[in-house]
Amino acid sequence: GAVVSQHPSRVICKSGTSVKIECRSLDFQATTMFWYRQFPKKSLMLMATSNEGSKATYEQGVEKDKFLINHASLTLSTLTVTSAHPEDSSFYICSAPGNSNYGYTFGSGTRLTVV
Amino acid sequence: GENVEQHPSTLSVQEGDSAVIKCTYSDSASNYFPWYKQELGKRPQLIIDIRSNVGEKKDQRIAVTLNKTAKHFSLHITETQPEDSAVYFCASSDGGGNKLTFGTGTQLKVEL
Repeated sequence: GAVVSQHPSRVICKSGTSVKIECRSLDFQATTMFWYRQFPKKSLMLMATSNEGSKATYEQGVEKDKFLINHASLTLSTLTVTSAHPEDSSFYICSAPGNSNYGYTFGSGTRLTVV
Repeated sequence: GENVEQHPSTLSVQEGDSAVIKCTYSDSASNYFPWYKQELGKRPQLIIDIRSNVGEKKDQRIAVTLNKTAKHFSLHITETQPEDSAVYFCASSDGGGNKLTFGTGTQLKVEL
């Protein structure tokens, strides 16, 4: 149980375009989704927390207008990287809390390359 | 906010030896401490976790210890095998489904 499906797994886009990443909870309702970014050989850094039906909470230094997060249903959260630049190239991964007060389920990650 | 420090950043051991990775956290409200193994390009995989109401937990070759007073927790891997080679992350949370804060990671290499 507690599976989060993340798509796409890999995407290459041109500078200036937008890319949408989707995370779906398949067998549970995810009222919260955490979005992380991971640069090569670095740790997972929390970008924002999305909550179903309300505005996302962004971490300090993360541009809200560049990384648009939508959590319109209990099973779907999306991250849109707008006007992508090469420095946005990274591994993006979502995570949802499990059914208990502890434990988290991770998506499989999206490798974004901006050329 | 929470800050999690992790050491060492790289660790090489001979097959069969033990490996220890240490983390410290800053937020006294943190009460959940998982450890993840991540292979290149993959999602983190939970290998063991501990809650603040216990001081030690063991699962076969893997153990975690927690010192709440000192805000330290450590991962112990015994009888290391080449397949243990990966990046390991500690993390902390104050529970209730709140955000996880990750340590900086340790690249473990188990050499034959």
